[in-house]
Amino acid sequence: GAVVSQHPSRVICKSGTSVKIECRSLDFQATTMFWYRQFPKQSLMLMATSNEGSKATYEQGVEKDKFLINHASLTLSTLTVTSAHPEDSSFYICSARKEASGDTQYFGPGTRLTVL
Amino acid sequence: GENVEQHPSTLSVQEGDSAVIKCTYSDSASNYFPWYKQELGKRPQLIIDIRSNVGEKKDQRIAVTLNKTAKHFSLHITETQPEDSAVYFCAAILTGGGNKLTFGTGTQLKVEL
Repeated sequence: GAVVSQHPSRVICKSGTSVKIECRSLDFQATTMFWYRQFPKQSLMLMATSNEGSKATYEQGVEKDKFLINHASLTLSTLTVTSAHPEDSSFYICSARKEASGDTQYFGPGTRLTVL
Repeated sequence: GENVEQHPSTLSVQEGDSAVIKCTYSDSASNYFPWYKQELGKRPQLIIDIRSNVGEKKDQRIAVTLNKTAKHFSLHITETQPEDSAVYFCAAILTGGGNKLTFGTGTQLKVEL
């Protein structure tokens, strides 16, 4: 199998606080994970590529100091939304690439972030 | 970078009919094209994929065709059922180029009884 989990599934926080989201590959190792953001009725937009043991690669327009990514092990990547504001409210989804399956990415269940 | 366009944005069909969703991509070097189904509030689920060395692939009621020359690929769902109702996303990827998926804008498919 290829199972990816995310935690928490939902989080509500006050403006100005930081929120950490975890993405785990449960039954495989993933040197590369990806973080996406999805606004209602829109497509998934890639935010950054998380590389185990090295710095993340951010897409154009994504603030690396606001969205901190850490990929400390082959099964865990974390996304921290710092100083969250209401406009950061969104559905955050991670995916992990299973090298044994070629290019297939397996997605986590997503985290619904609401910033008040 | 890669750009993927998807049409239509919404599609309603009667149960039992076929549904076709089309995508075009811009980067001729892209070589892997997955299709995802996403139900409301859930994760995208891979339903079928195709690589650039293949023109067609079928899995039961679902098929995907690829025209490399025209840079477009299509999803075909036959004998649609109400549980097929969801948002479908196409995507393109250049393997070896960071393996970044570029998603289409999505198609809301509604299968009516």
